[in-house]
Amino acid sequence: EAGVTQFPSHSVIEKGQTVTLRCDPISGHDNLYWYRRVMGKEIKFLLHFVKESKQDESGMPNNRFLAERTGGTYSTLKVQPAELEDSGVYFCASSQYTGTGNQETQYFGPGTRLLVL
Amino acid sequence: SQKIEQNSEALNIQEGKTATLTCNYTNYSPAYLQWYRQDPGRGPVFLLLIRENEKEKRKERLKVTFDTTLKQSLFHITASQPADSATYLCALGPNSGGYQKVTFGTGTKLQVIP
Repeated sequence: EAGVTQFPSHSVIEKGQTVTLRCDPISGHDNLYWYRRVMGKEIKFLLHFVKESKQDESGMPNNRFLAERTGGTYSTLKVQPAELEDSGVYFCASSQYTGTGNQETQYFGPGTRLLVL
Repeated sequence: SQKIEQNSEALNIQEGKTATLTCNYTNYSPAYLQWYRQDPGRGPVFLLLIRENEKEKRKERLKVTFDTTLKQSLFHITASQPADSATYLCALGPNSGGYQKVTFGTGTKLQVIP
């Protein structure tokens, strides 16, 4: 079974440009999460989808970030326009939804390393 | 605000010994605590989850303890091997049931020396 995949693995862009990151979750996983790790800091939650709906986007830094998950399958995270402080590693994770209220294991992708110059 | 501290940025240990990593947290009452392993260039990989009403959990050579009074979790790797070298992350689950937003610590880089 394929794991969570992310594309691209690396992206180097100039300040002011737009970048779109993609995440393909494990097939059948309704929960999809975006996280970010800025250099030297901890991994921080950005947002959570259940199918195509945003469950929680409290971690999104500002309105330059837009996440979508049309059709409830893959998700994209667009940064427009990118700023220097957006540099970091963006992780995507997915998990099954059981509806039991118990914690479901999150499976992480390898991350996209974004560098804004 | 809630804060998670992992005892050290790096820990070196001789092969065969037991590695003990510490996770302390403040201003929070998590429903559960998780430990992840992260290798360079990879995403975190889930290892163990321990709930607030559990004191200890084991999985093969791994053992996790959870003391909600001390607000601390200890992560042990017994009979450590060079292949155990990685960064280990502690993560707290929410204090409201049914929702899975987790908060990560910065991690401890473990190096097992042959």
